[in-house]
Amino acid sequence: AQTVTQSQPEMSVQEAETVTLSCTYDTSENNYYLFWYKQPPSRQMILVIRQEAYKQQNATENRFSVNFQKAAKSFSLKISDSQLGDTAMYFCAFMKHPYRGGADGLTFGKGTHLIIQP
Amino acid sequence: NAGVTQTPKFQVLKTGQSMTLQCAQDMNHEYMSWYRQDPGMGLRLIHYSVGAGITDQGEVPNGYNVSRSTTEDFPLRLLSAAPSQTSVYFCASRAGTGAREKLFFGSGTQLSVL
Repeated sequence: AQTVTQSQPEMSVQEAETVTLSCTYDTSENNYYLFWYKQPPSRQMILVIRQEAYKQQNATENRFSVNFQKAAKSFSLKISDSQLGDTAMYFCAFMKHPYRGGADGLTFGKGTHLIIQP
Repeated sequence: NAGVTQTPKFQVLKTGQSMTLQCAQDMNHEYMSWYRQDPGMGLRLIHYSVGAGITDQGEVPNGYNVSRSTTEDFPLRLLSAAPSQTSVYFCASRAGTGAREKLFFGSGTQLSVL
């Protein structure tokens, strides 16, 4: 079974600053996917960024980028030029390659509550 | 395009009551799933389906039943509600297997069992 650990229950930064959210995971799989989801107060789950484990290049989406360290099983999210609208819960999630068999679905961490201060 | 629709948005039950949480998607997605989210926790998979007539258990299936008679609908049934089932429930769907297909989430159902 996989586990995902987010060690920062809450973080607070000033608007326009850069912030990094940490995520580590434990798995015996070699092929898998990692995700960061954002959950604002509206409760909607929004995909922020996705990384495939076989790709060495770190994924980027506008102000969001990841630092994927496969050997260390680390997958941190960096938000540059933070905005008030970035205030939300952020969840790191793991998904094994679907063709490996077994149960499907995402394994989530417990989340980090990010607060962007004006 | 409605995406993934969950009803109701809020529900209060008494212990022992039964109810069905509805989930429908209009994207012709093969894969559908149910998650629950408890305070201080990430989402945990309850049940999933890879196509009509096919369902399987996730991480926390006890106390819940599902069926998939059509591609569009994937209802979650609580046969005898318990306070431990107080949670926010999310339905999600995607076009097929694999993370290359984006997972679409519904807006959630907040359930309280008294």
